[in-house]
Amino acid sequence: DAKTTQPPSMDCAEGRAANLPCNHSTISGNEYVYWYRQIHSQGPQYIIHGLKNNETNEMASLIITEDRKSSTLILPHATLRDTAVYYCIVRGISGGGADGLTFGKGTHLIIQP
Amino acid sequence: ETGVTQSPTHLIKTRGQQVTLRCSSQSGHNTVSWYQQALGQGPQFIFQYYREEENGRGNFPPRFSGLQFPNYSSELNVNALELDDSALYLCASSLGVSKNEKLFFGSGTQLSVL
Repeated sequence: DAKTTQPPSMDCAEGRAANLPCNHSTISGNEYVYWYRQIHSQGPQYIIHGLKNNETNEMASLIITEDRKSSTLILPHATLRDTAVYYCIVRGISGGGADGLTFGKGTHLIIQP
Repeated sequence: ETGVTQSPTHLIKTRGQQVTLRCSSQSGHNTVSWYQQALGQGPQFIFQYYREEENGRGNFPPRFSGLQFPNYSSELNVNALELDDSALYLCASSLGVSKNEKLFFGSGTQLSVL
């Protein structure tokens, strides 16, 4: 699976959109971009994933650049409960065997009141 | 709430001892994977179980072993504990083994090895 690069930390004001960047310049054509988050003292929580097109669900939007070398997770109206570590993960879904998710250190997003 | 429950929530052991951690998967999920998360790091994949068989393993030594039961619950066993085994151990369940499946994580077991 391709390596990802994320800023170690970011701040965002409550009520504003939080935009979390992720670089994955070595991503290959059959690899998806996944986002999970981990709130303190809890397990990671799935947020969203996508391949080429932009995706939106009830939690967030995922914008993937046309060359697929980077993406942005958008939390449209951040609340204090969105303070967490956000992990961007690139994962190939073809091939046999189980190799698990490869988590980096993620981005610690702090929502300021 | 993900429906994945882990026990115990906290545990203290001494070096050289053995430990068993338990996980109940979300209803309907037949696949369980285990992760180790050291302080300040992201989770690291230990292994995955599907239909009571290990079908994938990360870079962990054989003293990390597991079981999956017919009801899809699972255990993680660690023998000959070392100080570096101190970590949060996370269990995740999913509907199947497809790499496109979303994982649902429990809140983990915090293991301290003294």
